[in-house]
Amino acid sequence: DTGVSQDPRHKITKRGQNVTFRCDPISEHNRLYWYRQTLGQGPEFLTYFQNEAQLEKSRLLSDRFSAERPKGSFSTLEIQRTEQGDSAMYLCASSYDGTNQPQHFGDGTRLSIL
Amino acid sequence: KQEVTQIPAALSVPEGENLVLNCSFTDSAIYNLQWFRQDPGKGLTSLLLIQSSQREQTSGRLNASLDKSSGRSTLYIAASQPGDSATYLCAVFDDKVIFGPGTSLSVIP
Repeated sequence: DTGVSQDPRHKITKRGQNVTFRCDPISEHNRLYWYRQTLGQGPEFLTYFQNEAQLEKSRLLSDRFSAERPKGSFSTLEIQRTEQGDSAMYLCASSYDGTNQPQHFGDGTRLSIL
Repeated sequence: KQEVTQIPAALSVPEGENLVLNCSFTDSAIYNLQWFRQDPGKGLTSLLLIQSSQREQTSGRLNASLDKSSGRSTLYIAASQPGDSATYLCAVFDDKVIFGPGTSLSVIP
């Protein structure tokens, strides 16, 4: 068990470009979550998967954002036509099924939009 | 709508002191509450999870309590060390996951 890993750690891009982030959860975990965190704030929920099914999406997830988990293992989060307001840390977490399972987080991808 | 607040926003204590961090939430219908630690530029590390039916959880020098009826949780850190310096976040789990803004802790050697 190597924990949750995210790639890349940092991404700098120009406004208007598309970016894609990857998350590899802990292998036995069915659930995978994406969050966004800005400076001085707690993480904000974006979306989560149970295996390959995307079960919930926040209103924060505009139509420029799309997330996939095609085989129920790793997940990708894509942001199209990036805007300055997308600059943030994007965190991934995974857990076992159930309402009382702790979430385990990766170190995040820090996105900076120039 | 669930709202989570944490007081204080920042705290500085000398090494060896015991301290308490506070978390408040507005809707008591939660499944559980989880405390996390976050180091600068890093992800979150889970410290303690308290289920809604529990009153407290302990791990080493950490003790977390939960009072659902009053919408409060506390994280008690005993004999603080410089390595405890980090941001501490609480999160409540109901139909959604709502995080507080965190308390930034500095333990001065």
